[in-house]
Amino acid sequence: AQSVTQLDSQVPVFEEAPVELRCNYSSSVSVYLFWYVQYPNQGLQLLLKYLSGSTLVKGINGFEAEFNKSQTSFHLRKPSVHISDTAEYFCAVSETSGTYKYIFGTGTRLKVLA
Amino acid sequence: DGGITQSPKYLFRKEGQNVTLSCEQNLNHDAMYWYRQDPGQGLRLIYYSQIVNDFQKGDIAEGYSVSREKKESFPLTVTSAQKNPTAFYLCASRPGLPSYNEQFFGPGTRLTVL
Repeated sequence: AQSVTQLDSQVPVFEEAPVELRCNYSSSVSVYLFWYVQYPNQGLQLLLKYLSGSTLVKGINGFEAEFNKSQTSFHLRKPSVHISDTAEYFCAVSETSGTYKYIFGTGTRLKVLA
Repeated sequence: DGGITQSPKYLFRKEGQNVTLSCEQNLNHDAMYWYRQDPGQGLRLIYYSQIVNDFQKGDIAEGYSVSREKKESFPLTVTSAQKNPTAFYLCASRPGLPSYNEQFFGPGTRLTVL
């Protein structure tokens, strides 16, 4: 069985500062990895995903994530945040072996301060 | 525009009443999902469907029921057996396998039991 851990429930950061949101996963099989963003009272939208190949993945809105197989991590980063990045961010995994199920982390609430 | 619609956006229910949440997609996706979101708990899978006339229980199916009579529709009924139904409900769809296909989410329905 897989599990996803997002250790930080909330991350406050000042505008234009860099941010890293942490995601660790546990799985006995190969997985695909995803980051989603949720703005207040809305659904989730995909930021980026890792399938294979280069471990650095670039997504929308200036976000990027790095896959580290040895540490089973997939941390999300942005070099300079904006007020509009205030949202909740979810990490998710899906087995590569043909499954319809995703496992989501509990989310990290990013609050960007002026 | 292609997408997923959920209705209503806000729903109020008296204890002991069944209520049905609507989810429609025009993306021609095979798979559809229902998640429940509570603060600090991330997304928990209620039911999912891979094809028409077929669906599987997720992690928290008790007190819920679904149907999948049409490819584009996947309604969720919250029954009186669900002890704590107040939550934000998200519907999602995806093209099906392979599992690197991301899910697309609707805007959600917030259910409040009075």
